[in-house]
Amino acid sequence: DTAVSQTPKYLVTQMGNDKSIKCEQNLGHDTMYWYKQDSKKFLKIMFSYNNKELIINETVPNRFSPKSPDKAHLNLHINSLELGDSAVYFCASSQEGTGWNIQYFGAGTRLSVL
Amino acid sequence: QQQVKQSPQSLIVQKGGISIINCAYENTAFDYFPWYQQFPGKGPALLIAIRPDVSEKKEGRFTISFNKSAKQFSLHIMDSQPGDSATYFCAASNPDKLIFGTGTRLQVFP
Repeated sequence: DTAVSQTPKYLVTQMGNDKSIKCEQNLGHDTMYWYKQDSKKFLKIMFSYNNKELIINETVPNRFSPKSPDKAHLNLHINSLELGDSAVYFCASSQEGTGWNIQYFGAGTRLSVL
Repeated sequence: QQQVKQSPQSLIVQKGGISIINCAYENTAFDYFPWYQQFPGKGPALLIAIRPDVSEKKEGRFTISFNKSAKQFSLHIMDSQPGDSATYFCAASNPDKLIFGTGTRLQVFP
């Protein structure tokens, strides 16, 4: 059973379209994250949610909107896609209060904007 | 101040050799320093982690050395194997988020 699962694994779309990426974790964690990994492999946090509440919102264009329907799910919706949005997007989860910020990552969604 | 600087960008090591990756940070509020391993097409996975009150942590062939006064930490992979070929990320954590280094691509040749 995959701990953190993302769908789809690949997403190819045209500029200007709107797309969503879904993430689910079955670890019982209360915190979930979205990261963006660019072509140079640089990994940068975008958002984090704790128990459905937005905790971290880095300087991300407001075309990106995360939504957490419950603590096991964190989806990412992207409006008006641009070429620069092409990247691999990772979802991760962790459990707050353990003293160790151990984050478990999904396998990633490779987004290609043409 | 929130950056974590990682070097080298890439590393080629012979099988059986020692791989060493270095990281440096500025923010003394960081309280947890993990290393993540990422294989192509996969997400990063936690390899080993250390707190700043400890100078060294070893798990199998992987060792973190931590120098609090110099604000530096490093990953040593002993007896490197071809299966260790991956991208390695150091990171530093304040309570709510991880700041990742820029990654080191390690290639271990037989």
